[in-house]
Amino acid sequence: GEDVEQSLFLSVREGDSSVINCTYTDSSSTYLYWYKQEPGAGLQLLTYIFSNMDMKQDQRLTVLLNKKDKHLSLRIADTQTGDSAIYFCAERGLTGGGNKLTFGTGTQLKVEL
Amino acid sequence: KAGVTQTPRYLIKTRGQQVTLSCSPISGHRSVSWYQQTPGQGLQFLFEYFSETQRNKGNFPGRFSGRQFSNSRSEMNVSTLELGDSALYLCASSLGGTGETEAFFGQGTRLTVV
Repeated sequence: GEDVEQSLFLSVREGDSSVINCTYTDSSSTYLYWYKQEPGAGLQLLTYIFSNMDMKQDQRLTVLLNKKDKHLSLRIADTQTGDSAIYFCAERGLTGGGNKLTFGTGTQLKVEL
Repeated sequence: KAGVTQTPRYLIKTRGQQVTLSCSPISGHRSVSWYQQTPGQGLQFLFEYFSETQRNKGNFPGRFSGRQFSNSRSEMNVSTLELGDSALYLCASSLGGTGETEAFFGQGTRLTVV
């Protein structure tokens, strides 16, 4: 079955780069996503990458995908205190079709001054 | 363009009761998916509705059910509530096509069972 793993915590200094990692098991994954969740809020879609891509850049965000190792990462450049939140990676596979997303456990990013 | 709207935002119910949660997707979106978020289990997929039909289902007991109306609004119902049903329930809206990439989430309904 599908499984998505993330480390639980990451602490960085303001202005540094943050790298959040994720591994997944479903080899049929078509799209992989990064969502951000702030306290008391829903999930905000940050970016996504199609499984036949290696990299996608969107302003301060860079997504790297190593499909062979089933490893996904999100790099946030020039991290700000407003980036403090929980970050979830998610994969959408072909199993069952439709729009079912399998989420990782979430990584809590803390940005310190 | 309005986002995904979930109502109510907060609910407190007693064990054994039932509850209905509502989700209005983004205009033009035909797919609505529901997720349960708890500290212990994280985000888990409940089910997806597309054009009034359940298209996908997660591993939850039959006490969890849903439906979708012709205007794409969706409701989920939980019967015979248990303490473990306390969670944040999130719905996601998307266009629903096979090439569709983006799912947008609402703010969620926080359900507390006492």
